[in-house]
Amino acid sequence: EPEVTQTPSHQVTQMGQEVILRCVPISNHLYFYWYRQILGQKVEFLVSFYNNEISEKSEIFDDQFSVERPDGSNFTLKIRSTKLEDSAMYFCASRGGLSNQPQHFGDGTRLSIL
Amino acid sequence: AQSVTQLDSHVSVSEGTPVLLRCNYSSSYSPSLFWYVQHPNKGLQLLLKYTSAATLVKGINGFEAEFKKSETSFHLTKPSAHMSDAAEYFCVVSGTNYGGATNKLIFGTGTLLAVQP
Repeated sequence: EPEVTQTPSHQVTQMGQEVILRCVPISNHLYFYWYRQILGQKVEFLVSFYNNEISEKSEIFDDQFSVERPDGSNFTLKIRSTKLEDSAMYFCASRGGLSNQPQHFGDGTRLSIL
Repeated sequence: AQSVTQLDSHVSVSEGTPVLLRCNYSSSYSPSLFWYVQHPNKGLQLLLKYTSAATLVKGINGFEAEFKKSETSFHLTKPSAHMSDAAEYFCVVSGTNYGGATNKLIFGTGTLLAVQP
């Protein structure tokens, strides 16, 4: 069964540094998402991406965050200048074209900011 | 706005006994509802989904959930728990109506299921 893959599984970065989290969605999917889960808290929506543009973003997704689908297969989340509070598990998800289709998640990237 | 409330943060059952994980939702229109499971150090796996078809939804690993509009509930059940069911379970509602381009997911706070031998 096709699956969403995320790399790396664990990223350790110094505060203030840029970090790029990578995702390869399921190949025929059209909608792409990033979520995050801070330790001990609920999973939160960050951003959705469709037709090469952001379709919705949460208030968490400020100017420090950006997303890109550079080559038709990868979907990346960039944090320009990381803060301690960016430490979390970041999940990528994708879904097909019908609105009632479920989102499929990757195993996540654990981001630790020192 | 949509939201979900998971009524129990922790549930502990004995192996072979029934499982009930409770979820109530709030939505201004007919919702799409999901249950996802997260095993330790793993991603979120879809257990089952409700999208306005049959109200009793069967999922993987023997789980099922019943959509009850009158009670705004979507409780997850399994007749007989297995040790491998120990995980965190999330009740989730889709955040936009049909025709919306986003369908962002809104998660509950999760229920940690422990299965005792």
